Amino acid sequence: RKEVEQDPGPFNVPEGATVAFNCTYSNSASQSFFWYRQDCRKEPKLLMSVYSSGNEDGRFTAQLNRASQYISLLIRDSKLSDSATYLCVVRDGGSYIPTFGRGTSLIVHP
Amino acid sequence: GAGVSQTPSNKVTEKGKYVELRCDPISGHTALYWYRQSLGQGPEFLIYFQGTGAADDSGLPNDRFFAVRPEGSVSTLKIQRTERGDSAVYLCASSHPLRGSTWEGRVEKLFFGSGTQLSVL
Repeated sequence: RKEVEQDPGPFNVPEGATVAFNCTYSNSASQSFFWYRQDCRKEPKLLMSVYSSGNEDGRFTAQLNRASQYISLLIRDSKLSDSATYLCVVRDGGSYIPTFGRGTSLIVHP
Repeated sequence: GAGVSQTPSNKVTEKGKYVELRCDPISGHTALYWYRQSLGQGPEFLIYFQGTGAADDSGLPNDRFFAVRPEGSVSTLKIQRTERGDSAVYLCASSHPLRGSTWEGRVEKLFFGSGTQLSVL
């Protein structure tokens, strides 16, 4: 079983739509959680950290469910520029190594 | 420079050859990571340096892969007897060091270079 699992998609949505991605992780001792964004042929960049209480940054909302071991990313009012791959990243407590999921592809069309 | 620099950006080699990939991290970042990414997959961990020493090399797939960071700054990933299956994008990332349970009070964040696309023919 993979440590971090994501639906690869692609998710095809029209501009203005709301879209949500989930990511599950296998280690209950995981400590830190993140969403990274990766544009085509570019390097990953941190989108947002995911806190236990949930957090919001503009149109983006991230949530953590420790009991069910998943994190989610909600994007409201999708823009064409949101088209990218969204990588779920988890770091276990006591480890220095962030583990990446395979990513979920989002395509926002006019 | 302002960001993580990786050279070359593209490397084409023949099966069986030796290659070196270079990473120049952000100044002051003592933590350095190598990942590799195949098409349609997420970055896969290879090795982690804290300063000059390899603190975790559990991701290196076999003994053809080796990495060094002799002065705690620039790192070189070395691949011997390359195979077609080694073809991928090799990503380097740096960050502030993790101390205990906090990232020295800063946001826990990896800063990636733009990667080296390795093609083994």
